[in-house]
Amino acid sequence: DADVTQTPRNRITKTGKRIMLECSQTKGHDRMYWYRQDPGLGLRLIYYSFDVKDINKGEISDGYSVSRQAQAKFSLSLESAIPNQTALYFCATSDTPSTGVKGGYTFGSGTRLTVV
Amino acid sequence: DQQVKQNSPSLSVQEGRISILNCDYTNSMFDYFLWYKKYPAEGPTFLISISSIKDKNEDGRFTVFLNKSAKHLSLHIVPSQPGDSAVYFCAASVREYGNKLVFGAGTILRVKS
Repeated sequence: DADVTQTPRNRITKTGKRIMLECSQTKGHDRMYWYRQDPGLGLRLIYYSFDVKDINKGEISDGYSVSRQAQAKFSLSLESAIPNQTALYFCATSDTPSTGVKGGYTFGSGTRLTVV
Repeated sequence: DQQVKQNSPSLSVQEGRISILNCDYTNSMFDYFLWYKKYPAEGPTFLISISSIKDKNEDGRFTVFLNKSAKHLSLHIVPSQPGDSAVYFCAASVREYGNKLVFGAGTILRVKS
């Protein structure tokens, strides 16, 4: 099994629909992140969580919400999907800085979301 | 305002030659830099990193160079292999800010055999 699992892998949804992307990890990491990838823009941070009771907005959080259900689970919701939220979404985990950031993040395989 | 910039969207190199991928940053507080490689339908994977206290880090065929005065880093791949064909992302972080990574836009590397 993958260290970081994202579901679904692909999703097509209609404008205005609510959709949830899920992420679970077996790394035992405290920190989890949601990024989206767009051509020419790289990976941009949507939300991040440093532990179960901690939720923080990233640079592009508008239109999104998250829930950290457990150390291993971090879900991303689009409350009312719009076409410009069509993108590739990645969940990632990391260990705490005190143990080193040498390897940085462990990413899931991504969810390709299309909003029509 | 992109703090990490990869100005070359793509690079094509002949197998066996050197690949040089470049990255510039604007935030002088960045103290850790990483390169990730991404294949289609997969998530990015860590490749190599460098602390701001160093100017070079080497791991096999991969070497990262950091020029702090120019706010520039580069990734050298020698010799390049067809399996190196992927998207390469440069990323940077500030330890004080909890090590959140800021990514560049990526460079598509094609190694021709």
